[in-house]
Amino acid sequence: RKEVEQDPGPFNVPEGATVAFNCTYSNSASQSFFWYRQDCRKEPKLLMSVYSSGNEDGRFTAQLNRASQYISLLIRDSKLSDSATYLCVVNVYNQGGKLIFGQGTELSVKP
Amino acid sequence: DTAVSQTPKYLVTQMGNDKSIKCEQNLGHDTMYWYKQDSKKFLKIMFSYNNKELIINETVPNRFSPKSPDKAHLNLHINSLELGDSAVYFCASSQDHTGVNSYEQYFGPGTRLTVT
Repeated sequence: RKEVEQDPGPFNVPEGATVAFNCTYSNSASQSFFWYRQDCRKEPKLLMSVYSSGNEDGRFTAQLNRASQYISLLIRDSKLSDSATYLCVVNVYNQGGKLIFGQGTELSVKP
Repeated sequence: DTAVSQTPKYLVTQMGNDKSIKCEQNLGHDTMYWYKQDSKKFLKIMFSYNNKELIINETVPNRFSPKSPDKAHLNLHINSLELGDSAVYFCASSQDHTGVNSYEQYFGPGTRLTVT
């Protein structure tokens, strides 16, 4: 079983749509959680951290459920510029800063 | 004023050759990493160095040898290249490797290695 699992998509949505991505992780010692964004043929960039209380950054809302080992990302009012691959990322305590990446979920926002 | 830079951006070479990829960061970070992204798009850690000291070696074949001459540079040398080494290699850095400072990692633009 992969350490971090995501639905690879692709998700094809119209502009203005709300889209949700889910992710599960297998290591209960996982300590910190993130969403990174990767544009086609580019490097990953941190989108947001994910906290147990849930957190929001503009149109983006991230949620964490430690009991179910489940992370989500909600994007409201999708823009064309949101088209990218969204990577669910986990950090396990005391592993030298190693980030464990999911396969990524591809999002394509159409006009 | 690129934060994390890698050279070369593209590398095409034949099986059996030896090649190096260079990485430099100007962020003043203590920790640097090498990740490999294969054709299925999985990004996987290979190595990390903290202030020139090896921290993570993630069961990578010993044909891969990282070298950190100083904390701003982490190079990757690959001996006897194989077809399966074809991938995109990303360098990254973070402030350090413990606690909250390890989480925000800044990635270089990647080196696309093709072995023929």
